[in-house]
Amino acid sequence: DIQMTQSPSSVSASVGDRVTITCRASQVISTWLAWYQQKPGKAPKLLIYAVSSLQRGVPSRFSGSGSGTEFTLTINSLQPEDLATYYCQQANSFPFTFGPGTKVDIK
Amino acid sequence: QLQLQESGPGLVKPSETLSLTCSVSGGSISNSNYYWGWIRQSPGKGLEWIGSVHFSGNAYYNPSLKSRVTISADTPKNQFSLRLSSLTAADTAVYYCARRDSSGNNNWFDPWGQGTLVTVSS
Repeated sequence: DIQMTQSPSSVSASVGDRVTITCRASQVISTWLAWYQQKPGKAPKLLIYAVSSLQRGVPSRFSGSGSGTEFTLTINSLQPEDLATYYCQQANSFPFTFGPGTKVDIK
Repeated sequence: QLQLQESGPGLVKPSETLSLTCSVSGGSISNSNYYWGWIRQSPGKGLEWIGSVHFSGNAYYNPSLKSRVTISADTPKNQFSLRLSSLTAADTAVYYCARRDSSGNNNWFDPWGQGTLVTVSS
């Protein structure tokens, strides 16, 4: 199985700050990576797919980059509604696996 | 707008079999472009992909669960189901159903159901 790791495990930032989350895969996954946002008590929601493509309706302050084994999710100008846990997922091969999550808090 | 809704028991006894159903509205599970699957989330193991099924009956399972899992599609009812046998406390989790694109490596999940909590306890 491809193992996914994320750092940091949690981050606390102020409204307007830029937040960067890193996801690493244990093997090369090319650009087959997605990011999800999970708000408290809710199901995960697809934010970004294929590393950098924004899902319809996702604000443009979210962006993704990377390739191979290292990927980044960036939230530009953090907003109060961005309080959530963010997960990466490799879509390269079975079984599909997720990172452990990064919790984003608002200071 | 496509919506998925899980249903099933909230409490199951150890060694028994869990049966969950996902009802799909706003779209057809007979759409050949998609797989329909299950993902669970527990505090101990995070998000875990269980498996996915195509309306044709083609199914893929996580090898870690394959011996205990069956996912099937019911096209007339526009539903798909999960059966997980030989339950233990480690199977306690929130179970989500979700759609997955079937083209190439577009293996991301969207949308998701709201999730249903399943507790395994005597």
